[in-house]
Amino acid sequence: EAGVVQSPRYKIIEKKQPVAFWCNPISGHNTLYWYRQNLGQGPELLIRYENEEAVDDSQLPKDRFSAERLKGVDSTLKIQPAELGDSAVYLCASSPGTEYNEKLFFGSGTQLSVL
Amino acid sequence: AQTVTQSQPEMSVQEAETVTLSCTYDTSENNYYLFWYKQPPSRQMILVIRQEAYKQQNATENRFSVNFQKAAKSFSLKISDSQLGDTAMYFCAFFNAGKSTFGDGTTLTVKP
Repeated sequence: EAGVVQSPRYKIIEKKQPVAFWCNPISGHNTLYWYRQNLGQGPELLIRYENEEAVDDSQLPKDRFSAERLKGVDSTLKIQPAELGDSAVYLCASSPGTEYNEKLFFGSGTQLSVL
Repeated sequence: AQTVTQSQPEMSVQEAETVTLSCTYDTSENNYYLFWYKQPPSRQMILVIRQEAYKQQNATENRFSVNFQKAAKSFSLKISDSQLGDTAMYFCAFFNAGKSTFGDGTTLTVKP
């Protein structure tokens, strides 16, 4: 069974440029999460989808961040424009259902460096 | 809001020995779930063990076990017979009603 696939693995951009991250969850998983992990810290939830609906985006900085999950499968997270403080690892995770006690399956993340 | 505190930024242990990683949390909720995740240099988080708050029995998974003290809001991870492959960052996580909170991690190094 393929795991959660994220791309790109690394991204280096200059500030004020746009950037996008892509996530392909495990087939059949209904719930998809985007997390941001700053250096030396734990992941922080940005947005959670149940199928194609964003059920929790309270921590998503909506002035510059946007996300979508078309047809309840793949998801894209976008930053426009990027700022220096956006440098971090962006992790995608999925789980089979919608119960919050379920195991999360994580991708390997995208490490973003904003210069 | 929930908080999760891991007070040991770094730990080391000799191969084959036992090590315990600490985690405390703060919540007013009664029903929730606690997890330990492992993050090797590959960055992919891997579930180590899971504990339901309503269960008094401590969870175990092979060499990994937890000491869950609900009243004290403590959730420590014990790794027995440590192996070199256990070297990684370990994160304690709290889940409730779709909300997730992770601690800042403990870097564990297993020495040969």
